[in-house]
Amino acid sequence: EVQVVESGGGLVQPGGSLRLSCAASGFMFSGYEMNWVRQAPGKGLEWLSYIDSSGSTEYYADSVKGRFTISRDNAKNSLYLQMNSLRAEDSAVYYCAREAGTTDYFDSWGQGTLVAVSS
Amino acid sequence: DIQMTQSPSSLSASVGDTVTITCRASQTIINFLNWYQQKPGEAPKLLIFGVSSLQRGVPSRFSGGGSGTDFTLTISSLQPEDFATYYCQQTYYAPRRFGQGTKLDIK
Repeated sequence: EVQVVESGGGLVQPGGSLRLSCAASGFMFSGYEMNWVRQAPGKGLEWLSYIDSSGSTEYYADSVKGRFTISRDNAKNSLYLQMNSLRAEDSAVYYCAREAGTTDYFDSWGQGTLVAVSS
Repeated sequence: DIQMTQSPSSLSASVGDTVTITCRASQTIINFLNWYQQKPGEAPKLLIFGVSSLQRGVPSRFSGGGSGTDFTLTISSLQPEDFATYYCQQTYYAPRRFGQGTKLDIK
């Protein structure tokens, strides 16, 4: 069964850092592009970042560019999101999602991990 | 950057109704248009990819159409489990932007 499971969320002070992880199982992780998406309370989905299967290409939303870094370890079947200089508006549920198919749809999502940025 | 505009932002309907949600891209995205369903407290679920292809296990009352910049999601004969929020998404460009969502609730 294809599965992705996020972890690493929690409460952090403004200006702080947090590293999210996404553990993949049930598929050949090294063959898939991956993404991070977040959802603030009561708001819609916001795409944050993409990484290709080898880790050589990354894209970011303007809202996180320069503060967040996506990475992966194919040997550990894991995806990461390093979040620095956190702001209150970064408070959200963070999802990792597998990208698949010829039209790059997000076919597998984790349950999400909650990040709260507050003093 | 490409923008995705969904309408309406909310919609009330009854069981058995047919509803259509529209999504407009600010630039052509060929067929790189996907639809997701999200229920409260749950992760989004892929419904339709590549404009009109149904994800495995999704009921046939869901259908997608359109091309270029204008797309639709139609749900025929609404069932109680269909009341949720729906998002379109383009994956032709980075950022892989989502529409703002359409909340479908029971009239």
